[in-house]
Amino acid sequence: GAVVSQHPSWVICKSGTSVKIECRSLDFQATTMFWYRQFPKQSLMLMATSNEGSKATYEQGVEKDKFLINHASLTLSTLTVTSAHPEDSSFYICSLRGRGEADTQYFGPGTRLTVL
Amino acid sequence: GQNIDQPTEMTATEGAIVQINCTYQTSGFNGLFWYQQHAGEAPTFLSYNVLDGLEEKGRFSSFLSRSKGYSYLLLKELQMKDSASYLCAVIQGDYQLIWGAGTKLIIKP
Repeated sequence: GAVVSQHPSWVICKSGTSVKIECRSLDFQATTMFWYRQFPKQSLMLMATSNEGSKATYEQGVEKDKFLINHASLTLSTLTVTSAHPEDSSFYICSLRGRGEADTQYFGPGTRLTVL
Repeated sequence: GQNIDQPTEMTATEGAIVQINCTYQTSGFNGLFWYQQHAGEAPTFLSYNVLDGLEEKGRFSSFLSRSKGYSYLLLKELQMKDSASYLCAVIQGDYQLIWGAGTKLIIKP
């Protein structure tokens, strides 16, 4: 299967700062990218979906001005948590889907964000 | 290296039982998740195992053997709505999830 990486693996920041998380596909072109948030031992909550050449589509309740998503290329997507607060502390996971692969998503290892 | 293996696709009959296996080789182990994902939806948490043994939750059970690097998800009394992909994921260290490619389960009447 495809290899997906996220950077950083973990980050601790002060309240009010912004944090950028990168998601890269290492060996295929991702036409669709998903960003999820995971709470302890719970399901993944879809935050937004971005398709090649389009702006991200955010799920209801997710603030697009707070969680900035940039689908920079077919191999890179970034999620920036702006003015982070302690309640934003979570595990953020990206997943990628290639052209023509309607049912298959490749998940990244996740980034643990802790906001103090 | 790190690797998680699960079958790509399985077919079962409504009302029957199916077992989806997951084997893993990781440099650390802090637990294993099973998720269900219907097409076009986010993965839904099914189970979390960190100790050896069987965890039963209604129609779904999950088993773990850390010494063998092996887990399975057992689904009983299959229903058509159980048709989905089932993802196995291992927590390596504190900050990394290693994902299997998922098993597509097809339920036939």
